[in-house]
Amino acid sequence: AQKVTQAQTEISVVEKEDVTLDCVYETRDTTYYLFWYKQPPSGELVFLIRRNSFDEQNEISGRYSWNFQKSTSSFNFTITASQVVDSAVYFCARLSSNTGKLIFGQGTTLQVKP
Amino acid sequence: SQTIHQWPATLVQPVGSPLSLECTVEGTSNPNLYWYRQAAGRGLQLLFYSVGIGQISSEVPQNLSASRPQDRQFILSSKKLLLSDSGFYLCAWSRPMTQYFGPGTRLLVL
Repeated sequence: AQKVTQAQTEISVVEKEDVTLDCVYETRDTTYYLFWYKQPPSGELVFLIRRNSFDEQNEISGRYSWNFQKSTSSFNFTITASQVVDSAVYFCARLSSNTGKLIFGQGTTLQVKP
Repeated sequence: SQTIHQWPATLVQPVGSPLSLECTVEGTSNPNLYWYRQAAGRGLQLLFYSVGIGQISSEVPQNLSASRPQDRQFILSSKKLLLSDSGFYLCAWSRPMTQYFGPGTRLLVL
């Protein structure tokens, strides 16, 4: 199966530390899309970012940054100067342009302690 | 702007009882709609998706069914709930290539 792997089940950091969440994907598609979602304790999945397979430019949005490396099939997510409000489960996902289906990783639980 | 609603937010049902969860989307037309289930331990499983009224695709054989009676309404149903149907049910809509999720319904089957 063309899966998405988030090897880190749980990460705990102290506020203001930087933290990187890893994501590795498998695919035979030539065109695909990668995503990160945040799931706070309330449960709703919040869309954070989408990257296209043909665009390897890294992206920064405030304290969030994403590193997409096609050569290693990775799409890692870094939070700089973490805050307690960043505590959540973070999901990496891949969308196949052929099937239109979104494949999720198992999620990484991030706990940011004050 | 688009918004997605789900209700109820929480539901406790006895085994063998029927189920109806509703999802509606506002601010867009002809969206693709999806039902996911998240069991304890957080993995997300796609249950159904729909590309239009009356068009439902099922991803896994199960005790559940879905219907889309209107363009922006998606309903998840069961005639007889099982204990294993407990979980967090998320509805999503998409415009090309990005899915946006609703607030979810927590279902506990006792």
